[in-house]
Amino acid sequence: DAKTTQPTSMDCAEGRAANLPCNHSTISGNEYVYWYRQIHSQGPQYIIHGLKNNETNEMASLIITEDRKSSTLILPHATLRDTAVYYCIVKYSNKLVFGAGTILRVKS
Amino acid sequence: DAMVIQNPRYQVTQFGKPVTLSCSQTLNHNVMYWYQQKSSQAPKLLFHYYDKDFNNEADTPDNFQSRRPNTSFCFLDIRSPGLGDAAMYLCATSSPGVQETQYFGPGTRLLVL
Repeated sequence: DAKTTQPTSMDCAEGRAANLPCNHSTISGNEYVYWYRQIHSQGPQYIIHGLKNNETNEMASLIITEDRKSSTLILPHATLRDTAVYYCIVKYSNKLVFGAGTILRVKS
Repeated sequence: DAMVIQNPRYQVTQFGKPVTLSCSQTLNHNVMYWYQQKSSQAPKLLFHYYDKDFNNEADTPDNFQSRRPNTSFCFLDIRSPGLGDAAMYLCATSSPGVQETQYFGPGTRLLVL
């Protein structure tokens, strides 16, 4: 499995954009980049995924570099409810292999 | 709303006493997964079903078993819970395929006394 590297934690001011980086330098051509988040004591929540192109949905944007070795999840206007652990996962099959993730703290 | 349901949300059992956790889904997905998440750790896949085809992860202890009687339901059986099995147990479902999203239930938190 391709491994991912994420910062352990990040802080973000409420109302500002939160940019969460992820390195996946060993990613293969058919592997997708997925982002999930987990709010305390809840199940993981799907955010977004992509293969090569940048993606946007109602929750976030995903920017994947041209060489696909890294990506950035962008929450455009972070709120206190976005405080969670964010997992970047490289997916090559049905399985999700979770790394340690980034703890994002949104502060007022 | 289509969803993944786990009952109960909290389960207390005694050391060595068998326990069953349940998961149901209204998404009609072929694939169902069970994950274990210990405190301050990431979720870890225990096994998954593709329809009735059971797929065990290599490092899942024999103490953990699963049943899937139909598309909608999946059970996690812990035959002899130890103190180290206290964790959040997460059920997820998806359609088959690498770009198919997994949807998670709220989890069942298991406490072993």
